[in-house]
Order: sequence, then C-alpha cells, then structure tokens
Amino acid sequence: EVQMVESGGGLVQPGGSLRLSCAASGFTFSDHYMDWVRQAPGKGLEWVGRTRNKANSYTTEYAASVKGRFTVSRDDSKNSLFLQMNSLKTEDTAVYYCAASLTSGGYRHFNYWGQGTLVTVSS
Amino acid sequence: DIQLTQSPSFLSASVGDRVTITCRASQGTSSFLAWYQQKAGKAPKLLIYAASTLQSGVPPRFSGSGSGTEFTLTISSLQPEDFATYYCQQLNSYPITFGQGTRLEIK
Repeated sequence: EVQMVESGGGLVQPGGSLRLSCAASGFTFSDHYMDWVRQAPGKGLEWVGRTRNKANSYTTEYAASVKGRFTVSRDDSKNSLFLQMNSLKTEDTAVYYCAASLTSGGYRHFNYWGQGTLVTVSS
Repeated sequence: DIQLTQSPSFLSASVGDRVTITCRASQGTSSFLAWYQQKAGKAPKLLIYAASTLQSGVPPRFSGSGSGTEFTLTISSLQPEDFATYYCQQLNSYPITFGQGTRLEIK
C-alpha cells in the first residue's frame, strides 16, 4: 500500500523558517520525480517545486513565488522528500502536499499524494 | 506561464446527470494535461492523464478529451461520491499550473 506522510508543519512568524518532510513507502521512491503542491485556505492548488530523480541528476524546478526562498531536496536512502522554507511570508500559509510523479507513455502525472501538512505564517 | 481557465467554476447537478467541465489553456499544452478530483479536507486524486487516459482504478464514467488548448472532463452519470472539486493541470512546461477548480454540488 502506498503511503506518503508529511510532517513539520506548524505556526511560524513572518521571516522565519520551517522544514517539511515527506516519508514515502509502498512504491519505488527513487524512480519518481517528487513535487510539493500547496493550497491556501479555501483556495485552489498551486505547484511549489520539484526534484527530479537520480537519472536526471536530482535537478530542481520552482514556482516564481518561492524561488530563492524554498529548496526541495530528497534522500532516496530514506525514501524521504524535504521542503526547506526560508523568509516565510503570510501568503505562504497553506496546506502543503507532497506528490510523486511518474511517466507513463511519455506523459508525467502526479500518481500519489500525501495527506498534507498545514503551515501558518502569522505574527 | 500557461494559464488554465476552467468553466464553469461552480456546477449544480443531480445524481444520474451527465456533466462536462472545460479547461482552456492560454498556450498549447499538447496532451500534457491531467484532471484531479479533490474532496473536502482530502488530497487530490488523479483521474485522467495525457488528456484522455483513465488512471487505473478510476470508474469508466469519467472520461477526458482534447488537445492543444481546449480540454474536457466528462462524467457520464453522476454518482453521489462524485460531488467534489475538479482541477485540470498542465505539465507541458514550467511552471506546472492548475486551473482554478470547478466545484460540483448536488442539486
């Protein structure tokens, strides 16, 4: 059974930092690209960033809204994904989901999702 | 960035109805488009990828079509468990973007 469990969310002041983790099991973590997606309260989905797999040199991509402040990383030996968030702003308040992305027939999609962890940025 | 615009944003329908949700892209996305279902307080669930490929385990009443800039998600006969919010997503280019969502409610 596939499981993806996020942790590390909580309340942080503007300008602060937080590190989210995502522990995965039940699938070949190392083969997948891994993404973070967030959802502000009552709003839609926003893609945050991605780390590719080892075959693609673990390269990363980011949304403009977080580039330079957030860092996506992974540890394949522990089937874990991370999101280091610095210089947090009130507009970063959201539920953060980790998602696993695989290609089928040349088309990538987000196969598996965690349950989400809430990050609240407030003074 | 590729903007995705879903229509309608809100849809009220009855069990057994056929419904269609449209997703229009500001630029061509080929067939790099997926559809997700999200229920309140839950993570999104993949329904369709490559514009028209049904994800394993998803009921065949769901179908997708389109390519380029216009895509549709159709539910052929609504079931009670289908009332949720639906999102399209483009994976043709970075940044990956989602539509604003279509909320499907029971009439």
